[in-house]
Amino acid sequence: AQSVTQLDSQVPVFEEAPVELRCNYSSSVSVYLFWYVQYPNQGLQLLLKYLSGSTLVESINGFEAEFNKSQTSFHLRKPSVHISDTAEYFCAVSERNSNYQLIWGAGTKLIIKP
Amino acid sequence: ETGVTQSPTHLIKTRGQQVTLRCSSQSGHNTVSWYQQALGQGPQFIFQYYREEENGRGNFPPRFSGLQFPNYSSELNVNALELDDSALYLCASSPGQGALDTQYFGPGTRLTVL
Repeated sequence: AQSVTQLDSQVPVFEEAPVELRCNYSSSVSVYLFWYVQYPNQGLQLLLKYLSGSTLVESINGFEAEFNKSQTSFHLRKPSVHISDTAEYFCAVSERNSNYQLIWGAGTKLIIKP
Repeated sequence: ETGVTQSPTHLIKTRGQQVTLRCSSQSGHNTVSWYQQALGQGPQFIFQYYREEENGRGNFPPRFSGLQFPNYSSELNVNALELDDSALYLCASSPGQGALDTQYFGPGTRLTVL
């Protein structure tokens, strides 16, 4: 992947409201797609990933992301956010002809307002 | 199962000096990757080691070098430090090699170059 763009550096949203964090990538080959999350004062953790098959992938805490090949996007969504979702979210891409290199977006800070 | 640990937590060096950062991977994880994360940006891939051999490198100069040891520990060495080397340095371990594997991140080492 040549680049990953996360369009919003911060997304403020009220608790229990829906949220979408946007991720677009540019690549001339097929890709694997990832969302990582960094909670305050913690290391990066894998949230979900798309490798193949169904274009809709889900995490255990209610997030989902859909791979859209035509739009080269992998947006992250949650229908109802909780205060505990406050974190920074990073989108990352790896090209299928590259065994090792993850290309990362700049991150989106999700700010939950009570 | 212990997580990925890094030392030191913080480090201050002056321009031109050399630094060694350390990482202890999860037991059984044969792959370690190192990333540089500048303030406000996503991680940038430095290089990856698999079973003590470098098997991938990002766009970093040769003064960034590494070692991986049989006991699942690894080092990142940076020579001739420059001001722009100031960043959070992350290591991540994974069981195999390749983009399919989930990477487990350490908390990082914050390097400041004066």
